[in-house]
Amino acid sequence: EIQLVESGGGLVQPGESLTLSCVASGFSFSDYWMTWVRQAPGKGLQWLANIKHDGSAEYYADSVKGRFTISRDNAKNLLYLQMNSLRAEDTAVYFCASHTRGATDLWGQGTLVTVSS
Amino acid sequence: QSALTQPPSASGSPGQSVTISCIGTSSDVGGYKYVSWYQQHPGKAPKLMIYEVTQRPSGVPDRFSGSKSGNTASLTVSGLQAEDEADYYCFSYAGNYNYVFGSGTKVTVL
Repeated sequence: EIQLVESGGGLVQPGESLTLSCVASGFSFSDYWMTWVRQAPGKGLQWLANIKHDGSAEYYADSVKGRFTISRDNAKNLLYLQMNSLRAEDTAVYFCASHTRGATDLWGQGTLVTVSS
Repeated sequence: QSALTQPPSASGSPGQSVTISCIGTSSDVGGYKYVSWYQQHPGKAPKLMIYEVTQRPSGVPDRFSGSKSGNTASLTVSGLQAEDEADYYCFSYAGNYNYVFGSGTKVTVL
């Protein structure tokens, strides 16, 4: 079955760090650019970052540049999002997705990150 | 990277059509063919409905169609069905490997 499954979300305090993971199955993960998108409670979607299929380049939204890092391990079919200096406004459901032809076509179910003291 | 502008809501009766606009600039929507549309039901992940302005992925009904004129992209849902009630988001390439979503539109089937 073709799917993406995120994990690693949870409750963290402001200023702390958290790393999200996304495992891919059923498709050739190493052939695809990958994306992280988030959605704050009751709000819209926000593009966060993309990474090239081979991990050789990463691109970030201005709002997370310098705090978040996207990476991947193609040998393990894993995508990561390391998040540092977390703030209350980072509270959201985080989705990983594959990216092709300028669109995100396969999405995971999301993992909830709550930043609160 | 400001969100693309979509109307907060749209509605139509079963069988009718509804069109959702997505207003950007020449630096995003107007400048590239990479505009896509997503449907999201409550508590679910988004689903790709249209890519490259007009293209439908396999399995998406042909009731869904996309278009673009200048800096405005549009999604039209024809023959509205109850299951089309959802939030819809546009998404555009914005240059320099950056992307931006629209603000989202809640479609209600009356």
